[in-house]
Amino acid sequence: DTAVSQTPKYLVTQMGNDKSIKCEQNLGHDTMYWYKQDSKKFLKIMFSYNNKELIINETVPNRFSPKSPDKAHLNLHINSLELGDSAVYFCASSQETITDTQYFGPGTRLTVL
Amino acid sequence: GEDVEQSLFLSVREGDSSVINCTYTDSSSTYLYWYKQEPGAGLQLLTYIFSNMDMKQDQRLTVLLNKKDKHLSLRIADTQTGDSAIYFCAEAYNQGGKLIFGQGTELSVKP
Repeated sequence: DTAVSQTPKYLVTQMGNDKSIKCEQNLGHDTMYWYKQDSKKFLKIMFSYNNKELIINETVPNRFSPKSPDKAHLNLHINSLELGDSAVYFCASSQETITDTQYFGPGTRLTVL
Repeated sequence: GEDVEQSLFLSVREGDSSVINCTYTDSSSTYLYWYKQEPGAGLQLLTYIFSNMDMKQDQRLTVLLNKKDKHLSLRIADTQTGDSAIYFCAEAYNQGGKLIFGQGTELSVKP
């Protein structure tokens, strides 16, 4: 069974569109994260949620809105997509914050044309 | 400040040892991690070390931590072609579980 899963794996869309990426973890973890990996492979945290509550928001534009319907899911909705949003987005989860290992999903490659 | 640095490339011959280095800035980090990313794939946790340890060995992997110099290294013994990937060092920043990643070191293993 996949521990952290994301859908879709690939997403190609036009500038200005709105899209969502879904993430689910079956590890029973309390904390979930979204990271962005740019074309140079640089990874940076965007958000983290603990028990459905926002913990970290790293100066991400308001066009990005995470939504956590329950502890096992953290979805990422992006409005008015821009060319610079093209990247690979990784979801991750951990039992607690700070001390616990984060397990990553396979990533979603978003291409904005 | 939040900064983790790694050299970008490393090339070794199959069977040699590889040593990937990393420096970090946050002295309050509790855990330091090594992740592996194969082409087109997600991040795979390789190993981690708690900040009160100097060394951790796990099969072919040896992690060394020098807290004074804020230097972390990953040694892969008997490197194989299947070890070719990008290796990321990360520190657990003391704020809500945020991981700060280095730029990644691309390891190329030549037969």
